[in-house]
Amino acid sequence: NAGVMQNPRHLVRRRGQEARLRCSPMKGHSHVYWYRQLPEEGLKFMVYLQKENIIDESGMPKERFSAEFPKEGPSILRIQQVVRGDSAAYFCASSPLLTSSNTGELFFGEGSRLTVL
Amino acid sequence: EDQVTQSPEALRLQEGESSSLNCSYTVSGLRGLFWYRQDPGKGPEFLFTLYSAGEEKEKERLKATLTKKESFLHITAPKPEDSATYLCAVQARFSGGYNKLIFGAGTRLAVHP
Repeated sequence: NAGVMQNPRHLVRRRGQEARLRCSPMKGHSHVYWYRQLPEEGLKFMVYLQKENIIDESGMPKERFSAEFPKEGPSILRIQQVVRGDSAAYFCASSPLLTSSNTGELFFGEGSRLTVL
Repeated sequence: EDQVTQSPEALRLQEGESSSLNCSYTVSGLRGLFWYRQDPGKGPEFLFTLYSAGEEKEKERLKATLTKKESFLHITAPKPEDSATYLCAVQARFSGGYNKLIFGAGTRLAVHP
């Protein structure tokens, strides 16, 4: 039973290029979250998606960042025209249908580490 | 503003030396408080959920407790394999009912033989 799969694990981009990070949730999970972890800082919520719907994108920078979770295929976090400040670890997490017994239990992938030169 | 503060930032213990990690929080109505463990280069791994003051949860050498303002993660007789970063997170009552968590910066624990 595969866990949350993220790729690439490491990505190097030059300033101005685009970064695409992919996430396949655990089998049976229909909720996907993206969190960003800057060096020496805690994880910060970016966006919450269900299939074909963005439910909450309040943590996403207003420009250059977008996310999607199509009906088929993985969730994608896209960063256009990257800058050095975008260098971070980006974690995807998934959860099953929410019930009172599983609130807060997120299953995280191993992260995608973006380095912007 | 909702926030989570963890202390200490780093902790070095000898094997068998028990200690506690602290997580102080301010949140507009607590729905749940969570502890995760994160190993270097890995994603966080869920440990516990606590919902109300006075609640306690245990798992092997770890015990988590909750008050109205803070949570403690007690580590009894730690072993080197307990070395990791321990993350605390809260979910606000009015966060939409989904897992929009506010994380602290973590405590890096190193247990030496």
